[in-house]
Amino acid sequence: DIQMTQSPSSLSASVGDRVTITCRASQSISSYLNWYQQKPGKDPKLLIYVASSLQSGVPSRFSGSGSGTDFTLTISSLQPEDFATYYCQQSYSTPLTFGGGTRVEIK
Amino acid sequence: QLQLQESGPRLVKPSETLSLTCTVSGGSISSGSYYWGWIRQPPGKGLQWIGTIYYSGSTYYNPSLKSRVTISVDTSKNQFSLKLSSVTAADTAVYYCARPIYDFKDAFDIWGQGTMVTVSS
Repeated sequence: DIQMTQSPSSLSASVGDRVTITCRASQSISSYLNWYQQKPGKDPKLLIYVASSLQSGVPSRFSGSGSGTDFTLTISSLQPEDFATYYCQQSYSTPLTFGGGTRVEIK
Repeated sequence: QLQLQESGPRLVKPSETLSLTCTVSGGSISSGSYYWGWIRQPPGKGLQWIGTIYYSGSTYYNPSLKSRVTISVDTSKNQFSLKLSSVTAADTAVYYCARPIYDFKDAFDIWGQGTMVTVSS
């Protein structure tokens, strides 16, 4: 199985901050990396697919980059509604696997 | 607008079989040649892919669960289902049905709201 490791596991930030979350795969996954946002009690919401493609309806302050084993999700200016947990997921091979999550909290 | 809704028992006894159904509304489960998947999330933990089925019935399972999982599709009812046998407390989780963008390994762009299933006697 491909292991996905996210860092940090949690972070505190203020509204307006630039936030970067990292995801590392245990082997190369080309650009087959997706990012989701999950709020408490809600289903995950797809933000970014194939590393850098913005899902329809997702604000442009979200962006993704990377290839191979190292990927980042960047929120350019954190908004109140962005406080949530973020997960990466590889879609290179089965079993599909997710990172452990990064919780973004209010500072 | 396509919507997914999970249904099934919220409480299952240890060693029994967990059975859930996902009803697709706002579109046909067999149109567009889509795949349909199940993902679960134990309380306070991360996400685990369970498996995915093609509308024609081809399946892809997580090897860690494969011996206990069956996913099936009923196009006449616009539903697909999950059965997980010999459950233990470790199977307690929120179970989501979801649709990949197109291919069975694609990102999941449409999700159900999830249903919490507790394994307890």
